[in-house]
Amino acid sequence: EDQVTQSPEALRLQEGESSSLNCSYTVSGLRGLFWYRQDPGKGPEFLFTLYSAGEEKEKERLKATLTKKESFLHITAPKPEDSATYLCAVQAGGSNYKLTFGKGTLLTVNP
Amino acid sequence: EAEVAQSPRYKITEKSQAVAFWCDPISGHATLYWYRQILGQGPELLVQFQDESVVDDSQLPKDRFSAERLKGVDSTLKIQPAELGDSAMYLCASSSGGFETQYFGPGTRLLVL
Repeated sequence: EDQVTQSPEALRLQEGESSSLNCSYTVSGLRGLFWYRQDPGKGPEFLFTLYSAGEEKEKERLKATLTKKESFLHITAPKPEDSATYLCAVQAGGSNYKLTFGKGTLLTVNP
Repeated sequence: EAEVAQSPRYKITEKSQAVAFWCDPISGHATLYWYRQILGQGPELLVQFQDESVVDDSQLPKDRFSAERLKGVDSTLKIQPAELGDSAMYLCASSSGGFETQYFGPGTRLLVL
């Protein structure tokens, strides 16, 4: 069974204080690893897809990296508007395209 | 920018009543998903459609939940009767097919009293 574990559950940063979120996974034949951002009361917003170990993707202050067992979401010099829950999900190879999500990391950035 | 539409955004109902949620995917997206998200948890797949056909409904509580996508475009998820434990956010997502990125709608927040 595919499993995704995210840590920490919650993270509080000061504006400008860089940090990383972790997503560890076990999956039978990884097809893709996805990062989403979710604001309170809203649906998840797509950020990145990573397909193979060693791959990296960047968007503004965010950078996602992937190894064979985990992914990191690095946040550089965060701003208060980066406060949200960040969800990690894996998609396994095969005929079923479902995403298996972790519980998320609640990030709070204080001004 | 194309978006997934859902309605209603909020629904309050009493247990044993019937509720229905509607989803209109991004135009041209053949694959449609319904997820349920309990507060503090990640979304979990309930049902997946490819065009008008159900691909996976293994996690759908079929004694009370039903889903349809009659013309392969918009979709309806129904709960009858609703139970207290059904209180959650119901999310619809769509993709252009297969392993492509899934884009989520704003969700329907259901509260069962």
